Amino acid sequence: QVKLVQSGPEVKKPGASVVVSCTASGDALSGFAVSWIRQAPGHGLEWMGCITVDNGNTKYSQKVQDRVSMTTDTSTRTVFLDFRGLRSDDTAIYYCTTVNWLDILTGSPSFAFWGQGTLVTVSS
Amino acid sequence: QSVLTQPPSVSATPGQKVTISCSGSTSNVGSNYISWYQQLPGTAPKLLIYDTNKRSSGIPDRFSGSKSGTEATLGITGLQTGDEADYYCGTWDNKLNVVIFGGGTKLTVL
Repeated sequence: QVKLVQSGPEVKKPGASVVVSCTASGDALSGFAVSWIRQAPGHGLEWMGCITVDNGNTKYSQKVQDRVSMTTDTSTRTVFLDFRGLRSDDTAIYYCTTVNWLDILTGSPSFAFWGQGTLVTVSS
Repeated sequence: QSVLTQPPSVSATPGQKVTISCSGSTSNVGSNYISWYQQLPGTAPKLLIYDTNKRSSGIPDRFSGSKSGTEATLGITGLQTGDEADYYCGTWDNKLNVVIFGGGTKLTVL
């Protein structure tokens, strides 16, 4: 079992940046990656990318890759989502979730453990 | 507009069976494994099915997954009021090079 705890809600102005953190506890995460998936109000799920916990390999969605950075701090088992140039349509709940990195590479991703979600509101 | 197409809503009465479809193409559903998620109101999604037809830990056998060609299906038997939720399918798309999800299906248990 893995427990993921995310940082609290954020309110940002258009053009600003936000950093959302996700700290893991429980079973070892070796060989796993953490994905970020967002959900705009009343909408479905959108995958943003993922980062391996061991060595920081990343894979980003083309839609957001120019504005996103994902990093890890292995000493605290924390993963960070850094999202720049925020727009109003970036308002969403941002979830971190675990995925097996090999499953991403072989086309069989599934997201077993989820954080509680972080609401990021972008408004002037 | 999601790459994977799900019916916006389905409904059934307690005890009945319901199926939720997830239609895609050869670059996603047709060539990769499917996962299914249940999202209760105000909560994070929960993994129900992975690798198209394998139940996640603790998921009862009332839930099942299958695939034929470019369409995947989630089946739920013995419906309970607690099954009322949004359900999402997901997979990898070989052309877009991203994880994609369906638009979600709202299940109402009347």
